[in-house]
Amino acid sequence: SQTIHQWPATLVQPVGSPLSLECTVEGTSNPNLYWYRQAAGRGLQLLFYSVGIGQISSEVPQNLSASRPQDRQFILSSKKLLLSDSGFYLCACGGLAGTDTQYFGPGTRLTVL
Amino acid sequence: AQSVTQLDSHVSVSEGTPVLLRCNYSSSYSPSLFWYVQHPNKGLQLLLKYTSAATLVKGINGFEAEFKKSETSFHLTKPSAHMSDAAEYFCVVIKQSGGSYIPTFGRGTSLIVHP
Repeated sequence: SQTIHQWPATLVQPVGSPLSLECTVEGTSNPNLYWYRQAAGRGLQLLFYSVGIGQISSEVPQNLSASRPQDRQFILSSKKLLLSDSGFYLCACGGLAGTDTQYFGPGTRLTVL
Repeated sequence: AQSVTQLDSHVSVSEGTPVLLRCNYSSSYSPSLFWYVQHPNKGLQLLLKYTSAATLVKGINGFEAEFKKSETSFHLTKPSAHMSDAAEYFCVVIKQSGGSYIPTFGRGTSLIVHP
């Protein structure tokens, strides 16, 4: 089965600084990849998804961007962080069918001060 | 459009008593529905999923859910709560966007288990 790696596990960054969060996947090829943000006490918000290398779809307009340079690598970035970017960021992978399970990484806790 | 509504933001039960976490869905076609669990500061783990086979779905850790089309519901139940069940639970429906399948999460229900 799939294994999702995320790093770093925790991150504290000042407002206006750049961001790069990395997600890598093992145990599958050509997966759908997803970035979610979970704010304190709230549900998961889908930020980006990717169906293949270089293919990124954004669900909500925001200060963040995503890239998929390799089949099993998904990167979340920002040029200038905002206070509102704080949250728990989860990477997930799933198959290509609507019945497929999503597998989640352990998450990155981002605090913007 | 596909969506889910989790009717309770918090559910509090005593250890050994039944658990009921409610989820209603909206879908223009026969949906795929999932329940995930998240323990504090962890990623999510699949509990169970419904994919148009049996309407009563059994999952891990003694949880089960019943798909009721007439009520557009997919409530999660467990006969007897355990302290380790304390966590956040998410109901998910899949929506189609172009040729892709996009999970849509409910806002979550926090299950509190008292000794």
